[in-house]
Amino acid sequence: GQQLNQSPQSMFIQEGEDVSMNCTSSSIFNTWLWYKQDPGEGPVLLIALYKAGELTSNGRLTAQFGITRKDSFLNISASIPSDVGIYFCAGQDPSGTYKYIFGTGTRLKVLA
Amino acid sequence: DADVTQTPRNRITKTGKRIMLECSQTKGHDRMYWYRQDPGLGLRLIYYSFDVKDINKGEISDGYSVSRQAQAKFSLSLESAIPNQTALYFCATSDAGREAFFGQGTRLTVV
Repeated sequence: GQQLNQSPQSMFIQEGEDVSMNCTSSSIFNTWLWYKQDPGEGPVLLIALYKAGELTSNGRLTAQFGITRKDSFLNISASIPSDVGIYFCAGQDPSGTYKYIFGTGTRLKVLA
Repeated sequence: DADVTQTPRNRITKTGKRIMLECSQTKGHDRMYWYRQDPGLGLRLIYYSFDVKDINKGEISDGYSVSRQAQAKFSLSLESAIPNQTALYFCATSDAGREAFFGQGTRLTVV
């Protein structure tokens, strides 16, 4: 099945550092979504992007919808221990079915 | 109360048994989805429904069936469970063209 390429797969960072992750696709999307998943829980929406070039912030999180509509990135500034988790990107299939296609996730571990 | 509720949260069942996972939502969304999550594979779409009379197969529908009993209810069935269906299952809802909201998941183990 179709999945987005998300990188890095995992990362260890020190508390206070900034984090960057990205998602790329071979096809265009009309919507990019970023989710965080804690162990044993469902994904929780962090940021939704609806327009090419759009840059949106949510607290320490910033995400951008790439101009080509084939990529998106998520930045976390000044990371804290509770940022630990798996971050997923998702793109909405533009073919009219409105299905969501998910990346394989970035596992983030923050060292205090 | 959660906007998207899944039951049960955990289930262990034997190979060959029939099992149903249920999902209900209070967000008033027309669209509902069932996803499966395996380690390292992200979320894969099993079935989706855009309204009560509309059911569509996703990328991994074999071995599964669904029922949309009402706008707010969407259930997933495994007619004859097998061990490789052991996974986390998530229900999600959305409005057309907007973000999806997920339930807390059902951890299913088939022994």
